[in-house]
Amino acid sequence: DAGVIQSPRHEVTEMGQEVTLRCKPISGHNSLFWYRQTMMRGLELLIYFNNNVPIDDSGMPEDRFSAKMPNASFSTLKIQPSEPRDSAVYFCASSQGGSSQTQYFGPGTRLLVL
Amino acid sequence: DQQVKQNSPSLSVQEGRISILNCDYTNSMFDYFLWYKKYPAEGPTFLISISSIKDKNEDGRFTVFLNKSAKHLSLHIVPSQPGDSAVYFCAHHRSQGNLIFGKGTKLSVKP
Repeated sequence: DAGVIQSPRHEVTEMGQEVTLRCKPISGHNSLFWYRQTMMRGLELLIYFNNNVPIDDSGMPEDRFSAKMPNASFSTLKIQPSEPRDSAVYFCASSQGGSSQTQYFGPGTRLLVL
Repeated sequence: DQQVKQNSPSLSVQEGRISILNCDYTNSMFDYFLWYKKYPAEGPTFLISISSIKDKNEDGRFTVFLNKSAKHLSLHIVPSQPGDSAVYFCAHHRSQGNLIFGKGTKLSVKP
């Protein structure tokens, strides 16, 4: 199994540009999570999906952030327009859902907004 | 308001000795606590968990203790090895399915 796949691994962009982060969960997993890691706030949940449906998006910082999961094998996190304070490492994770508490994380996307 | 608190940002231990990582929580409504380990430039990986009905869970060199009255849990690594050097996150599993993470403790095991 390839594990959770994220792309790109690194992204450098200028303030105001649109950024799209991509995630492919582990096959057979029906829950998908987007996290952001910063020095100040640690690892915080942005949004999670269960069976492709967003369940809790209360962690999404503001309207500039949006996430979609059009099918069971793909999700995107979009920031438009991006700002320097969005610079962070963004992780995607998946789990089998239900009572399973173990989440499997991707390698992360390191985003730098100049 | 931090629901899961790891008050020590870093810990340094000599190889072969015991490492003790601590975590405090505020919300008594939980199913599981989990510990994740993270190396630089990688995503966190699951290490060990404990359910609310237990006070100890052991897996090889790793043992997690849960003290519900004190709302405290700890991860013991014995003996510590240089390869254990990483950031360790405590996480609380909520019934809705998501995890609430602490800010992590960076463990350095010196040869």
